[in-house]
Amino acid sequence: AQSVTQLGSHVSVSEGALVLLRCNYSSSVPPYLFWYVQYPNQGLQLLLKYTSAATLVKGINGFEAEFKKSETSFHLTKPSAHMSDAAEYFCAVSEAGNEKLTFGTGTRLTIIP
Amino acid sequence: EAGVAQSPRYKIIEKRQSVAFWCNPISGHATLYWYQQILGQGPKLLIQFQNNGVVDDSQLPKDRFSAERLKGVDSTLKIQPAKLEDSAVYLCASGGDPNTEAFFGQGTRLTVV
Repeated sequence: AQSVTQLGSHVSVSEGALVLLRCNYSSSVPPYLFWYVQYPNQGLQLLLKYTSAATLVKGINGFEAEFKKSETSFHLTKPSAHMSDAAEYFCAVSEAGNEKLTFGTGTRLTIIP
Repeated sequence: EAGVAQSPRYKIIEKRQSVAFWCNPISGHATLYWYQQILGQGPKLLIQFQNNGVVDDSQLPKDRFSAERLKGVDSTLKIQPAKLEDSAVYLCASGGDPNTEAFFGQGTRLTVV
């Protein structure tokens, strides 16, 4: 069975500051890992994904994440927060070759002007 | 390329009533998913179709929920009778390649009163 734990249901950062959203996973097989963003009243949009290639993955809107097998982590970062980054962020895991996703509980990111 | 279409966007019903949601996946996508997202939680998979066959419905409350995907394209999800705890956003997603990501629709927000 697979699972994802997102540490911190709410994160607040100042505009221009570093964004760090934490995600730890559990999987009995090599995982595929994803970060999705959800704006109010919208569906989920893929930010980036790890599928066993490069461990440092770059996504859209300046976000990136690093797969660390030894720490079972896939934390999401962005060097400089922008007001438009305010949203809910979900980390998810799937098995290779299966798009079925298991999601974490989400982290709401607030940007302080 | 058109995205995943869902309707209606919002629905309010009384408990014990029935309701149906519709999803039109991205053209050519063989896999279709229905997820339930309760407020404050991550999406949870209800059912996965491959073409018009069910791959996984282990999390679908079959006493009240049903889903079909006739002709392997559009899908409907039905709840009968609805309970208060069914209030959630119902997300449809589709995928064309098992090694890529799934694409999500905007969801249907259901409120049961």
